[in-house]
Formats: sequence, C-alpha cells, structure tokens
Amino acid sequence: RKEVEQDPGPFNVPEGATVAFNCTYSNSASQSFFWYRQDCRKEPKLLMSVYSSGNEDGRFTAQLNRASQYISLLIRDSKLSDSATYLCVVGFSGNTPLVFGKGTRLSVIA
Amino acid sequence: EPEVTQTPSHQVTQMGQEVILRCVPISNHLYFYWYRQILGQKVEFLVSFYNNEISEKSEIFDDQFSVERPDGSNFTLKIRSTKLEDSAMYFCAIGQDQNEKLFFGSGTQLSVL
Repeated sequence: RKEVEQDPGPFNVPEGATVAFNCTYSNSASQSFFWYRQDCRKEPKLLMSVYSSGNEDGRFTAQLNRASQYISLLIRDSKLSDSATYLCVVGFSGNTPLVFGKGTRLSVIA
Repeated sequence: EPEVTQTPSHQVTQMGQEVILRCVPISNHLYFYWYRQILGQKVEFLVSFYNNEISEKSEIFDDQFSVERPDGSNFTLKIRSTKLEDSAMYFCAIGQDQNEKLFFGSGTQLSVL
C-alpha cells in the first residue's frame, strides 16, 4: 500500500519559534518527496522538494531519511504568515501519481 | 511557476445533474491531473492524462467520471450524474513527468444538493 502519514496537529507556536514536522511513508522504493503548503480553502502550493542530502531554502530545511522512511520539515523563526497546513507528498515507484498526506496544521501566534 | 486556471471557482448543482469542470494550463507541461479534496480530508488522486489519454486512474474515478482535452488547451472533468458525496474541492494540476512536482489550479468548489 502507498500511504503517507503525518501528525495532524495543530501545532500552536509563538512567533520566532522553531517548529518541526515529520512524515512517514510506507514504500521503501519511493522516488520523490515534497512539502506543500495549503492555506484554508486554497490550492496546495509547492514549498520545496526534498533531496537525499537534505536541502534548505531560507528559514525552511527539509530532510529525508530513507532507512527509516521519514521526511522532516524544519521552520525557523516562525512568522504569522507561516500559519497554514503543511502537506507531505511522496512519489512512489512506477507510474503511480503523487500521494498526499493529510497535512499538519500550524498556527503561529503573535 | 506555471499558471493553471480553473473555472468555475464555485459550482452548485442538484443531485443527478451533470457538471463539467474546466482547466486551462498555460505551460508546456505534459501530464495533467485531477485531484479532489473533501472538506477536512486529504488531497486524493482521481486521474492522470498524458498524450491525449488516461494514463492512470483511482478507484474513485468510476464510470460517472470522464476527462478530455478536446482542443489541446482546455482540460475538462465531467461528472455525469452527481451524488451528494461528490461535494468537494476539485483541483487540476500539471506536471512535467510522473512522480515529479505538481502545480495546482485554484480549484473548483463543487456543492451537490
């Protein structure tokens, strides 16, 4: 089965805090990994791809642990505008389409 | 980022009626997708479309659903006889290849009464 699991949250953090989300996936042959951000009643928007060596984009850092089959997203210096649902997305092998996790809700509080 | 336009933004229909949701991708991407999201639930794959034919579909995509790209630009999803449980946000998405990142349209909120 092709499943992606996330802690639904919500994570309520003060501005400036560091917050980390984890995501686990079911299939060790998975090929591609992404974090998307979704605001309420809006479309998912690509936040960043996740590479085997880990990657960083400003305040956001994504890491992949293939042995344990999990992906993480770290947000440093949280802003109010970071409040959203963060979706873990996995591309499994073959011609199967991307599979979305249910998302982790983040609320950054002033 | 590629632009994907969806119309209408909201659609209200009676149970049993047919609806057509439209997507206009402004890009050279090769793969086209429909996903849906029931309120409070995860984004679910419906169908992928490549080279003018369906390449993959989920168990949700039954005989009531169909897709086509009639004129090389518009990409449509038709639901022949809507049910209450079809109420959801429907997203069109485009991608350059299978398993690659997707870019989503702003969605059509379908409400079946």
